Amino acid sequence: EVQLVESGGGLVQPGGSLRLSCAASGFTLNTYAMNWVRQAPGKGLEWVSIISGGGGSTYYGDSVKGRFTISRDNSKNTLYLQMNSLRAEDTAVYYCAGEGFDIWGQGTLVTVSS
Amino acid sequence: QSALTQPPSASGSPGQSVTISCTGARSDVGGYNYVSWYQQHSGKAPKLMIYEVSKRPSGVPDRFSGSKSGNTASLTVSGLQAEDEADYYCSSYAGSNNYVFGTGTKVTVL
Repeated sequence: EVQLVESGGGLVQPGGSLRLSCAASGFTLNTYAMNWVRQAPGKGLEWVSIISGGGGSTYYGDSVKGRFTISRDNSKNTLYLQMNSLRAEDTAVYYCAGEGFDIWGQGTLVTVSS
Repeated sequence: QSALTQPPSASGSPGQSVTISCTGARSDVGGYNYVSWYQQHSGKAPKLMIYEVSKRPSGVPDRFSGSKSGNTASLTVSGLQAEDEADYYCSSYAGSNNYVFGTGTKVTVL
């Protein structure tokens, strides 16, 4: 079964950092670009970032550019999102999703609050 | 990048049809045939229902159909069923390896 499982969410203070992981199973991650998408409580979906299959190309939404870093370890079949300088407005459920947003994980909640 | 505009809500009785619009700009919806639609039930992850404007992934009922005209894309759900009650989001490629999602529409089955 094709599956994505996120982890690493939690409560962090403003200005802090957090690293999210997304473990893939049932398929080989390195053949696909991968995305991170977030959803603030009660709000809509927001695209965060995308990384190419080999990891050499990365792109970000304007709201996270310069603060978040997407990466991948294809040997571990895992995608990452390093989040620095976190703000209250980064509070959201973070989903990893496949290249065409065809596969989604269950999401992990990040709460930025003092 | 501004979110694509969707109506906040739509509704229909079982068996009826409902159409949801998704309005963007020439730089996103109007410029590319990479519009997708997602269904999200409360507390669940989104599910891809339509991709590349009008294509359905395997397993999605043919009651779901998509189209596009100019800067506006549409999702039509025909033969509404109780399980279709959910939030629906559109997305579009916006150039330069960027993507944008819609504001979301809550569909209620009366």
